[in-house]
Amino acid sequence: DIQMTQSPSTLSASVGDRVTITCRASQGIRTYLAWYQQKPGKAPQLLIYSASTLQSGVPSRFSGSGSGTDFTLTISSLQPDDFATFYCQQYNSFSWTFGQGTKVEIK
Amino acid sequence: EVQLVETGGGLIHPGGSLRLSCSASGIADGSHYMSWVRQAPGKGLEWVSVIYKGGHTQYADSVKGRFAISRDDSNNIVYLQMNSLRVDDTAVYYCAGGPLYPDSSGYYPYWGQGTLVTVSS
Repeated sequence: DIQMTQSPSTLSASVGDRVTITCRASQGIRTYLAWYQQKPGKAPQLLIYSASTLQSGVPSRFSGSGSGTDFTLTISSLQPDDFATFYCQQYNSFSWTFGQGTKVEIK
Repeated sequence: EVQLVETGGGLIHPGGSLRLSCSASGIADGSHYMSWVRQAPGKGLEWVSVIYKGGHTQYADSVKGRFAISRDDSNNIVYLQMNSLRVDDTAVYYCAGGPLYPDSSGYYPYWGQGTLVTVSS
């Protein structure tokens, strides 16, 4: 199975900060990567798919980039509603796999 | 508006069986791949299984041979039959739906609220 490694595991930031989360695949996955946001007690919400395509309805402060093995999720200006846990997911080959998550906390 | 509603979770003894259901509304009958994704308490997301339009299925190694995914497209329901349950199957099980066919990529725009399965003696 392809392993997905996110960094950092936890990130402390302030409202207005630019935040970057990275996701590294154990082998190339082209651009078959999605990003999700999950708040406590809630289901995940799709933010980005195909590595860089913004899901309809998601604020433009979220952006994704990368291909092959290295990917990033960037929040251009962190908002109060953005404090949550973020997951990457590869769907290049089975078994599809998620990263371990990055928790974005209030500094 | 797409809505996915999971039912069937509960407390079950190790070795037991349970069937989860996911009722879908607001999406075209049978025209989305559908999955189950689970999350153990305090842990991350784990992909479990997918079923495509037409019935093709895939499973995570951790559940292969024990779990079976199926779909009733006439009623827009997806099932997860879970057999030989183990303590480490304890998790919130989410039903997740893909985009409209023919996009069969593998990402999930649609999620249910989850149902908790607890395997314990």
